[in-house]
Amino acid sequence: AQTVTQSQPEMSVQEAETVTLSCTYDTSESDYYLFWYKQPPSRQMILVIRQEAYKQQNATENRFSVNFQKAAKSFSLKISDSQLGDAAMYFCAFISNFGNEKLTFGTGTRLTIIP
Amino acid sequence: DADVTQTPRNRITKTGKRIMLECSQTKGHDRMYWYRQDPGLGLRLIYYSFDVKDINKGEISDGYSVSRQAQAKFSLSLESAIPNQTALYFCATSDLHGTDTQYFGPGTRLTVL
Repeated sequence: AQTVTQSQPEMSVQEAETVTLSCTYDTSESDYYLFWYKQPPSRQMILVIRQEAYKQQNATENRFSVNFQKAAKSFSLKISDSQLGDAAMYFCAFISNFGNEKLTFGTGTRLTIIP
Repeated sequence: DADVTQTPRNRITKTGKRIMLECSQTKGHDRMYWYRQDPGLGLRLIYYSFDVKDINKGEISDGYSVSRQAQAKFSLSLESAIPNQTALYFCATSDLHGTDTQYFGPGTRLTVL
């Protein structure tokens, strides 16, 4: 069974600075996808970034980028030029390209932006 | 208008009551999912459906049932609600496969007294 671990329950960053959220996962498979979702106080789950495991290039979306280390099973999210609107819970998630449709989530990291 | 909607947004009920949570989507996706979110546990999959005739249990299906009334509608029922089913419930959809991005509804906060 796959597991996803987010070891930082809470993080904080000064506005305009850069912060990195950690995520590690455990799987025996080689073909899978990884996601970062953002959950602001409105509680809506919003996709931040999606990474395909067979692609070496790290995914980026504007100020959000990932550091995908497949051998280390690590998938960290870097937020550059942090803004007040980035304050939220961030969830890392894993899904295999084979077998069932189960998206496995980590327990989340609460990010606070300090003005 | 939102692509994935859930009703109600908030609900308080009593132990033993039957309750239905509804999800509708306008994205035209075949796959729909129900998740439960508890503090400190992330989201966990309750049920998922590939199409109207294909429904599958997730990791925590006990105490829940679902109905896929149409491609666009997927309902979650608690036949006899209990307090430990107090949680935030999310519906999600994806296009051709679960590895496609899953789009979430706004969630239903359910409290069972």
